[in-house]
Amino acid sequence: QSVLTQPPSASGTPGQRVTISCSGSSSNIGSNYVYWYQQLPGTAPKLLIYRNNQRPSGVPDRFSGSKSGTSASLAISGLRSEDEADYYCAAWDDSVVFGGGTKLTVL
Amino acid sequence: QVQLVQSGAEVKKPGASVKVSCKASGYTFTSYDINWVRQATGQGLEWMGWMNPNSGNTGYAQKFQGRVTMTRNTSISTAYMELSSLRSEDTAVYYCARGTVDYYDSSGYYLDYWGQGTLVTVSS
Repeated sequence: QSVLTQPPSASGTPGQRVTISCSGSSSNIGSNYVYWYQQLPGTAPKLLIYRNNQRPSGVPDRFSGSKSGTSASLAISGLRSEDEADYYCAAWDDSVVFGGGTKLTVL
Repeated sequence: QVQLVQSGAEVKKPGASVKVSCKASGYTFTSYDINWVRQATGQGLEWMGWMNPNSGNTGYAQKFQGRVTMTRNTSISTAYMELSSLRSEDTAVYYCARGTVDYYDSSGYYLDYWGQGTLVTVSS
């Protein structure tokens, strides 16, 4: 059972906008930054969003993050086939805690 | 460029130990934590712990306390994760990742660079 709660799956068609939610508590998301990681099939995770809504260099602006209270979300606009991956939210809660991951399928 | 290169796949018997290495390059090894995260096949990410390569200080997830040891050799910019008393449930890909403390108007901790992963298979 993961500390942070994500939907196990999400889907969209090319060009659509999809969002992935992440729910936590006051001890993690409620009091610390949220991070998002993208894991393409067969590869290591990659930092996608840091400090709730900041993109590392090289991450397209189609990816955006937000946080409100004890929940956060990742939005992907202009969905592309190469966005098909697993997405994980994470936060600090006296340790690194992850969500269970959301498998995004591009139909 | 920052790189973390891990050692190759391992096959171990139940009850044995495994030691995975993670060689860092492209940055000052002692300036950032090294974390270990594992992922069983088809499952999510599970954080195991962190190590400060400068001081050698460590912090382990409660689940792994007593079974995991994280060390380093600063002369070769390499971190190690040793897991003992292996059981079949420890079969997973083990990743090292560089950790960064994040302070601005709040706080956090993130993993900005990851190794390629090391498959550890525990089987009799």
